[in-house]
Amino acid sequence: AQKITQTQPGMFVQEKEAVTLDCTYDTSDPSYGLFWYKQPSSGEMIFLIYQGSYDQQNATEGRYSLNFQKARKSANLVISASQLGDSAMYFCAMAPNNDYKLSFGAGTTVTVRA
Amino acid sequence: DAGVIQSPRHEVTEMGQEVTLRCKPISGHDYLFWYRQTMMRGLELLIYFNNNVPIDDSGMPEDRFSAKMPNASFSTLKIQPSEPRDSAVYFCASSFTAGNNQPQHFGDGTRLSIL
Repeated sequence: AQKITQTQPGMFVQEKEAVTLDCTYDTSDPSYGLFWYKQPSSGEMIFLIYQGSYDQQNATEGRYSLNFQKARKSANLVISASQLGDSAMYFCAMAPNNDYKLSFGAGTTVTVRA
Repeated sequence: DAGVIQSPRHEVTEMGQEVTLRCKPISGHDYLFWYRQTMMRGLELLIYFNNNVPIDDSGMPEDRFSAKMPNASFSTLKIQPSEPRDSAVYFCASSFTAGNNQPQHFGDGTRLSIL
């Protein structure tokens, strides 16, 4: 079974600053996909960014970037220039090779302060 | 484009009643997933469909839970009879294909409370 670990239950960040959310994973599959989702207080799950295990470059999507360190099995999410609307729970997830099953971490709550 | 649509958004019902949750996936997506989110267990995959066919229901907690997908644009998750421990947020998600490079797109969820 795949295991996703998010060690930070909650974080505070000042508006306009960057924040890094940690995610480590455990898998024996050589090929896998890593995903980050955002869940605001309203409850919906919003897909943010994807990183493939064979991708040579770190994924970026607007203010989101993924610091992918394959040897360390880590896929940290970086949110740059934080905004008040970034306050939410963030989940790291992984799908192993040719598999439907997304395994989720426990999530990290981010609170952006004005 | 419309996203995944779930109904109802909230459901409060008495123990023992039948509960039916509904989902309309994104048009063209051929995979549909049902998840449950609780504080204790986080997000759990219950069942998923490919081209309307159930592929894996190993995450369905008990026989009280059943799911159907009669056509490409509609799925239901039914709980009968419901129990207080079924209280959770239930998400439906869809993707263009399964696999490790396709994001699943989630609906807004149904917050279910069983009294």
